[in-house]
Amino acid sequence: GENVEQHPSTLSVQEGDSAVIKCTYSDSASNYFPWYKQELGKRPQLIIDIRSNVGEKKDQRIAVTLNKTAKHFSLHITETQPEDSAVYFCAASRRTLTDKLIFGTGTRLQVFP
Amino acid sequence: EAGVAQSPRYKIIEKRQSVAFWCNPISGHATLYWYQQILGQGPKLLIQFQNNGVVDDSQLPKDRFSAERLKGVDSTLKIQPAKLEDSAVYLCASSAPGQGAGGYTFGSGTRLTVV
Repeated sequence: GENVEQHPSTLSVQEGDSAVIKCTYSDSASNYFPWYKQELGKRPQLIIDIRSNVGEKKDQRIAVTLNKTAKHFSLHITETQPEDSAVYFCAASRRTLTDKLIFGTGTRLQVFP
Repeated sequence: EAGVAQSPRYKIIEKRQSVAFWCNPISGHATLYWYQQILGQGPKLLIQFQNNGVVDDSQLPKDRFSAERLKGVDSTLKIQPAKLEDSAVYLCASSAPGQGAGGYTFGSGTRLTVV
């Protein structure tokens, strides 16, 4: 069935360094790839997304890249700050009117001052 | 706009008891999802409604879980009887017509502890 793998499960970086989280999806019909940030005890919040007709998208310190051939997509956070510390989830969907998001297993990012 | 409302926020029950969760989506959102998020894992879809019809319940453990959305607005998810492994956060999400997966808004979730 549909599956999204996410690595690493934990990531610790020094403030100001970059962080990269990678995901691989199995459903070749997937065409929508969002990333969610979840702080402890809170709901997942969408931080950036990309559609299959685009290879890269950037929003300030956050960027997402997509390689449809390899079925990989990645989240890049530059100039990390302590408030970036959270669990990050990738997801994939066919983005039809009713289709669902399949989530990865999450990456716990810790940014040390 | 008001967000997705869920209640209760927390629930502790003993195994074999029953429990129900409630979700009120954003007004006008036709699609409603229930996800189960076990500690340390990503959310897993349990059931998806389009208005009051079920679109996908392939991962719902139907021997103990049930869900309904009778009037196409709010929804309830029930577990009967609960098992220890049902301890998780139950997240409700909704999306607007035409948005599908691209327009998810999550509720704050219900944290269930089964002891």
